[in-house]
Amino acid sequence: GDSVTQMEGPVTLSEEAFLTINCTYTATGYPSLFWYVQYPGEGLQLLLKATKADDKGSNKGFEATYRKETTSFHLEKGSVQVSDSAVYFCALSGIQGGSEKLVFGKGTKLTVNP
Amino acid sequence: DTAVSQTPKYLVTQMGNDKSIKCEQNLGHDTMYWYKQDSKKFLKIMFSYNNKELIINETVPNRFSPKSPDKAHLNLHINSLELGDSAVYFCASSQAAHNQPQHFGDGTRLSIL
Repeated sequence: GDSVTQMEGPVTLSEEAFLTINCTYTATGYPSLFWYVQYPGEGLQLLLKATKADDKGSNKGFEATYRKETTSFHLEKGSVQVSDSAVYFCALSGIQGGSEKLVFGKGTKLTVNP
Repeated sequence: DTAVSQTPKYLVTQMGNDKSIKCEQNLGHDTMYWYKQDSKKFLKIMFSYNNKELIINETVPNRFSPKSPDKAHLNLHINSLELGDSAVYFCASSQAAHNQPQHFGDGTRLSIL
């Protein structure tokens, strides 16, 4: 079945450092890809998405490009802030058994220190 | 004007009890979901409903029974609670169209004593 693999954390960075969180996927067909963010004590929020190959999703300084050839959707940000500390989930949306559902990676916890 | 709201936020109860978690969305979405997030933050879908009809039912014990009285509500009832049921349960909703993002509630932290 469909699956998502993302780098294990935790990841600890200093403010203004460059961030990369790797995500690769296995899927039949052409899934859409998402990054969700979960701040402490809250539910998941959509950060960005890409629906087809070579699409770039971006939001709040974060970017990710849908790479079909490497089946990847790595999350990047040029300069992180303390407020970016959260758990980040890569996910794909695929059709299984005639129904569409999200399959999540295991999450990567990011801590940004001042 | 919370988009997806679930109650209660915290639920502490004893093994063997029956409990319910309620979820409501005011986004006009026609699909709703329940997820379970374990202590390692791993998130797994349990159920999804589209217009009150069960669409996805993952391998979940039949002690868990979702109920959707209308398309804006999806409640989760759990019978005979076990220690392994301790987790955070998230409700979510989306439009049924392909590639639509899901909107999540803030979660219900269930602790079994």
